[in-house]
Amino acid sequence: QSVLTQPPSVSGAPGQRVTISCTGSSSNIGANYDVHWYQQLPGTAPKLLIYGNSNRPSGVPDRFSGSKSGTSASLAITGLQAEDEADYYCQSYDISLSGSVFGGGTKLTVL
Amino acid sequence: QLQLQESGPGLVKPAETLSLTCTVSGGSIRSSSYFWDWIRQPPGKGLEWIGSIFQSGSTYYNPSLKSRVTISVDTSKNQFSLKLSSVTAADTAVYYCARHDLGGRGELSYLDHWGQGSLVTVSS
Repeated sequence: QSVLTQPPSVSGAPGQRVTISCTGSSSNIGANYDVHWYQQLPGTAPKLLIYGNSNRPSGVPDRFSGSKSGTSASLAITGLQAEDEADYYCQSYDISLSGSVFGGGTKLTVL
Repeated sequence: QLQLQESGPGLVKPAETLSLTCTVSGGSIRSSSYFWDWIRQPPGKGLEWIGSIFQSGSTYYNPSLKSRVTISVDTSKNQFSLKLSSVTAADTAVYYCARHDLGGRGELSYLDHWGQGSLVTVSS
């Protein structure tokens, strides 16, 4: 049972837009702690995709965007490409646990 | 270019202690801007934060693992280490080390550099 809740899977056709939600609580996202997103391609280590709710590290395409509101956050991917097929994780800080927490991960399938 | 590399035994017997080391290259572990983390991922499952250490030796641990975990740092070798005691099959996972940035309130923020991961299997 993850502290942050994500849908197990999402899918979309090439070129479409998909969103992945991340729901937390008043001790993490709702406490105004930032949400960060990671992309994990099969057999590889996670890679930072979005930091500070909506910021992209250098080299991440602007097809990826993040937002946060209240106790939830979302990752949006536009112009879906086959190479986007991966697992996506959200992460934040939890004040009651005094540590980092992850979502359970969402598997994106490009149809 | 900062790089992190995990090392240690790939097989540990039940009830024994799992030990891994992360070697940091291309940057100093003494930086006051970062914590250094261990995260694990059981086969086919999601990511679990294990704990973090600062260059001073200050640590934060996942409460669910705290009684079994020790993270230490050796700044002279630019390394930090993980020990997990009394392991069971449930501790079988890929173990990652990573660099953890600090947020505006001094909290653990995002993980911007990751090692490639080290698979540790617990089995007799």
